Amino acid sequence: AQSVTQLDSHVSVSEGTPVLLRCNYSSSYSPSLFWYVQHPNKGLQLLLKYTSAATLVKGINGFEAEFKKSETSFHLTKPSAHMSDAAEYFCVVSGVRGGYNKLIFGAGTRLAVHP
Amino acid sequence: NAGVTQTPKFQVLKTGQSMTLQCAQDMNHNSMYWYRQDPGMGLRLIYYSASEGTTDKGEVPNGYNVSRLNKREFSLRLESAAPSQTSVYFCASKWGGEETQYFGPGTRLLVL
Repeated sequence: AQSVTQLDSHVSVSEGTPVLLRCNYSSSYSPSLFWYVQHPNKGLQLLLKYTSAATLVKGINGFEAEFKKSETSFHLTKPSAHMSDAAEYFCVVSGVRGGYNKLIFGAGTRLAVHP
Repeated sequence: NAGVTQTPKFQVLKTGQSMTLQCAQDMNHNSMYWYRQDPGMGLRLIYYSASEGTTDKGEVPNGYNVSRLNKREFSLRLESAAPSQTSVYFCASKWGGEETQYFGPGTRLLVL
């Protein structure tokens, strides 16, 4: 069975400093992995996805994530945080349950960015 | 294209009342999904429809029913609302062969 664990429920950074949001996954086969972002009172927007091509995936707004099979990790990074990055971030694995492909969500990491 | 739209945006119900949450997509997607989002729990799948005419239960289907009205529309019904159903509800859709799902803006439901 597939599952995903986000290691931090809250992360706080200063504007201009690097962002690291950590995610570990469990999958019995090579998974597809996603990061979604949810700004306050908004829907979910796809940041980036990994589908077994390049292990370093670039997304929107300067975010990127690296797939590390040996560590079963898919951490999200950004070199320099901006105030507009404050949001909740979800790590997601695509899995098969009940015979259909499903998205399995982590609990989320809330990112706060301070001036 | 509007993408995925949901109505209403916000609703307050009393325990025992019924209501239907509406979802529509204009991307010609085959599959549609209903999720609920609760603090600290991510999104959990309530029901999904892999194609027009089919619906299946997800992780947390109890207390809900769905209707895939046509390819565009997928509604979620609460027959007798309970305070435990206070949540934010998201609809999503995707192409049959793809894995990326596209989400609506959500419906905030408060059951008193």
